[in-house]
Amino acid sequence: DAGVTQSPTHLIKTRGQQVTLRCSPISGHKSVSWYQQVLGQGPQFIFQYYEKEERGRGNFPDRFSARQFPNYSSELNVNALLLGDSALYLCASSLNPGGTEAFFGQGTRLTVV
Amino acid sequence: RKEVEQDPGPFNVPEGATVAFNCTYSNSASQSFFWYRQDCRKEPKLLMSVYSSGNEDGRFTAQLNRASQYISLLIRDSKLSDSATYLCVVNNYGGSQGNLIFGKGTKLSVKP
Repeated sequence: DAGVTQSPTHLIKTRGQQVTLRCSPISGHKSVSWYQQVLGQGPQFIFQYYEKEERGRGNFPDRFSARQFPNYSSELNVNALLLGDSALYLCASSLNPGGTEAFFGQGTRLTVV
Repeated sequence: RKEVEQDPGPFNVPEGATVAFNCTYSNSASQSFFWYRQDCRKEPKLLMSVYSSGNEDGRFTAQLNRASQYISLLIRDSKLSDSATYLCVVNNYGGSQGNLIFGKGTKLSVKP
């Protein structure tokens, strides 16, 4: 059984660039959430999508956007990258938006230089 | 006040020790509670859910006190493989910060 898959696993970008991160949820899971984890902190909520609709948005600037596709996979886009965007970006999948158990992908480690 | 607060750690303990982690949460409407484990540079993985009646899974025991808004995790007979960061997590379905609210985590190092 495939778990949550994210791509790429590592990424280096320069300030001002744009980045797209991808996530495929566990088969049958319709809800995808994105989290940002900076070193020494717990994951911080960015977005939640369910059935292609945004169900929640955390306290992140408009440079962050996301979408969910008909196959429930998702993309997270970050524009005008800042050094402070360097973090581990985690995707979590669950059966439904209120699902109590979330399964995380291995994450994308983004470094902005 | 942060929504979920944990012991800052780190905890450095010898093999075989018993170690306890504490966590408090601020939203009395929180619906469900978890402990996740995160190994260095890896994704968080669910360790166990936490129920009001308390629950046990082998060497791990979790407790929830809703009145005090307090969650705990007890690890008995620590193993080297228990070394990781333990994240206290609260589910506030429908909340403005999404479903899962994470604490900063407490790092545990178990030494031989």
